[in-house]
Amino acid sequence: AQSVTQPDIHITVSEGASLELRCNYSYGATPYLFWYVQSPGQGLQLLLKYFSGDTLVQGIKGFEAEFKRSQSSFNLRKPSVHWSDAAEYFCAVVFFGNEKLTFGTGTRLTIIP
Amino acid sequence: DAGVIQSPRHEVTEMGQEVTLRCKPISGHNSLFWYRQTMMRGLELLIYFNNNVPIDDSGMPEDRFSAKMPNASFSTLKIQPSEPRDSAVYFCASSFVDEQFFGPGTRLTVL
Repeated sequence: AQSVTQPDIHITVSEGASLELRCNYSYGATPYLFWYVQSPGQGLQLLLKYFSGDTLVQGIKGFEAEFKRSQSSFNLRKPSVHWSDAAEYFCAVVFFGNEKLTFGTGTRLTIIP
Repeated sequence: DAGVIQSPRHEVTEMGQEVTLRCKPISGHNSLFWYRQTMMRGLELLIYFNNNVPIDDSGMPEDRFSAKMPNASFSTLKIQPSEPRDSAVYFCASSFVDEQFFGPGTRLTVL
């Protein structure tokens, strides 16, 4: 079955530390891949997306993500987090031939001083 | 561009009442999506339209829910009658090719 998994429900990191949020998908081909961020009380904002080509994609706010076909993963990274990065992060997938976004369950990021 | 506009931002109603949520997509976008977000079920796609035509409504929970898109600049999601389990944040999103742009959401509370 087609699915997307975010194994970490909640992650806490110190300000200035590096961050990696995990995302895995289950699908027989390469889907379109997205990372969205949701700040409290807000809608979702697109951080970055991958369709094809270079497997390391750069996004807004200093985020990047790497697509690894062999691991069916699309992990989000940031070298140094800021307190303003505290939010909920969603990995999302569009499977071939379908406009619909399938979202992971989200990872809540807490930043400590 | 003002982005995707949703109204109202907050709605509190009593069980059994009709609720109508409204969405204005970004001008020029040809697809519109309605999502529901709850703690228990996360983000769920309810229905989406392409060129004002409903394409997939398989996520609509039951007949109490209905959605319309009478023109390219307006859509409604109606719940009649509402129930406490409908309490959630409802998001509208629009897209042209690949990226969906989300509105700020409507927080619905059914007492």
